[in-house]
Amino acid sequence: QSVLTQPPSVSGAPGQRVTISCTGGRSNIGAGYVVHWYQQLPGTAPKLLILNDIGRPSGVPDRFSGSKSDTSASLAITGLQAEDEADYYCQSYDNSLSATVFGGGTKLTVL
Amino acid sequence: QVHLQESGPGLVKTSETLSLTCAVSGGSISSNSYYWAWIRQPPGKGLEWLGTIYYSGSTSYNPSLKSRVTMSLDMSKDQFSLKLTSVTAADTAVYYCARRGSGYFEDYFASWGQGTLVTVSS
Repeated sequence: QSVLTQPPSVSGAPGQRVTISCTGGRSNIGAGYVVHWYQQLPGTAPKLLILNDIGRPSGVPDRFSGSKSDTSASLAITGLQAEDEADYYCQSYDNSLSATVFGGGTKLTVL
Repeated sequence: QVHLQESGPGLVKTSETLSLTCAVSGGSISSNSYYWAWIRQPPGKGLEWLGTIYYSGSTSYNPSLKSRVTMSLDMSKDQFSLKLTSVTAADTAVYYCARRGSGYFEDYFASWGQGTLVTVSS
């Protein structure tokens, strides 16, 4: 069981906005550690999507955005496209585990 | 543009040692700007960080696996390696090597290998 909790699945129609939550605690997100997000298309390696809570690597569309508050972080995707159908993971650091931790992952289905 | 490529046996017997190597091209593992990591993903499941190694040889391992994991560097070949001892079926996974920055706000994995599936079976 991951220390960062994500919903197993979310869905939305093309053009809609969806959000994916990543809920942690006082030893990770709540301790001020930054959160990163990855997109994993079927059969491929994860790809960095959001870094340091809100940053976007070069080449990532501005349809993807991140936010953080207290012990949680969120990934928002606007203008949903079929190509966004993938698994999404959050990542942070946990000081009680002394480990880099990932959320359990969320499968996004574009209806 | 750095490129990472995992290699190693695709099948390991129960109780034996899993050994993988990650070849790095387009960048040097002797750089003090990066950490080198192993991350795995059991079939149909999420990502698990196994550990990281710095050019100095300094390592950090996931406490849940610490007693079984060893990472090392081969500077002459620009490769780093993973050894996981006493494997069981629960260690069956796609194993990824990855690179992260060395700065405090650079602990994200910007570069990944394609991954290699390792199956543990008797």
